[in-house]
Amino acid sequence: EPEVTQTPSHQVTQMGQEVILRCVPISNHLYFYWYRQILGQKVEFLVSFYNNEISEKSEIFDDQFSVERPDGSNFTLKIRSTKLEDSAMYFCASKGTGYGYTFGSGTRLTVV
Amino acid sequence: QQPVQSPQAVILREGEDAVINCSSSKALYSVHWYRQKHGEAPVFLMILLKGGEQKGHEKISASFNEKKQQSSLYLTASQLSYSGTYFCGTAPANFGNEKLTFGTGTRLTIIP
Repeated sequence: EPEVTQTPSHQVTQMGQEVILRCVPISNHLYFYWYRQILGQKVEFLVSFYNNEISEKSEIFDDQFSVERPDGSNFTLKIRSTKLEDSAMYFCASKGTGYGYTFGSGTRLTVV
Repeated sequence: QQPVQSPQAVILREGEDAVINCSSSKALYSVHWYRQKHGEAPVFLMILLKGGEQKGHEKISASFNEKKQQSSLYLTASQLSYSGTYFCGTAPANFGNEKLTFGTGTRLTIIP
């Protein structure tokens, strides 16, 4: 069964550093998403991406965040200057023409 | 607006039944149910698309009342493996890139 792959599985970074979280969506999917989950809390929507541009973004997705699909397969989330409160599990998801969303296994980001 | 789930947490003995409810203030096109184990990605259980439709997955089934904007997840004869946090995800339409909005979550603990 096709999978969404995320790397790295765990990243530790110092406050103020830039991080890039990587995702390889399912190859024939068209719609891509980033979500985050602070430990023990709800899964929050960050951004959706379609046709090489952002479709929708949440209040969380401020100027520190950016997404891109540089080579037609990878889908990346960049956090320019990380803060302690950015520590969370980040999930990538993709969707095709059907109704289902497929989630990756997540990247645990720890900002120290 | 985030869908509200009830109860927030429930503890069951193995073999008992549970019902988890998901209620939205917005009109819904689809409801998606996920189960998440600690530290892992949400795992898809099922999608409900039509009002009043029920679907099943092993001993887990769900209903969707489109008019009331509510869905319920039914777990019968619960097994230890059912432990985890259950999230409903809702989408107001199927315009392709519609985001999934996750509910508040219900933590289910099954004890032997």
